[in-house]
Amino acid sequence: GAGVSQSPSNKVTEKGKDVELRCDPISGHTALYWYRQSLGQGLEFLIYFQGNSAPDKSGLPSDRFSAERTGGSVSTLTIQRTQQEDSAVYLCASSPPRVGGNTEAFFGQGTRLTVV
Amino acid sequence: GIQVEQSPPDLILQEGANSTLRCNFSDSVNNLQWFHQNPWGQLINLFYIPSGTKQNGRLSATTVATERYSLLYISSSQTTDSGVYFCAVGVPGRRALTFGSGTRLQVQP
Repeated sequence: GAGVSQSPSNKVTEKGKDVELRCDPISGHTALYWYRQSLGQGLEFLIYFQGNSAPDKSGLPSDRFSAERTGGSVSTLTIQRTQQEDSAVYLCASSPPRVGGNTEAFFGQGTRLTVV
Repeated sequence: GIQVEQSPPDLILQEGANSTLRCNFSDSVNNLQWFHQNPWGQLINLFYIPSGTKQNGRLSATTVATERYSLLYISSSQTTDSGVYFCAVGVPGRRALTFGSGTRLQVQP
């Protein structure tokens, strides 16, 4: 597709259940990022993938959060044993290879996660 | 890590007015982007501007990297400009963007 695609758009889950959020980056983009935005707040970095390099996981808030990127394209963010404080919008972004220094990131529409 | 501060935090304008939003950052950057988050939550790319000046219609932006700030100018504001404006920066060796807390703009008819 033309842009970053995320699914589902909305997810309601019961406390304690596991959830998987999906991100399809822009074709040809080598970098992929996950962010979280709580209601009325800014964007909190979670994890970053760049090609075949080891991911930067420094923003993951706990070991209940994990992410993988298969084949250098699609990424899945998994939250285990969800808690109410995990409720937020999860945003994915991708950016192209660094050619001429341009690393502009483009965001998907997000997945709104509600834990009840 | 790098600190990103945006000002003002909130801004209310009458339609047709001009405004300047500011982004200060605490270290050298190799990426700076301005985004508009619309009422539906979508982040719209406005400018990729690690240095220099760019213009796009009623919007323009200037980044003075040596003085560690960027400015976003909105002229002849319209109600559709309402939303939150975010500045985000990247530093050498770490491509993940660090976001400021945003400026919430409300344009009244």
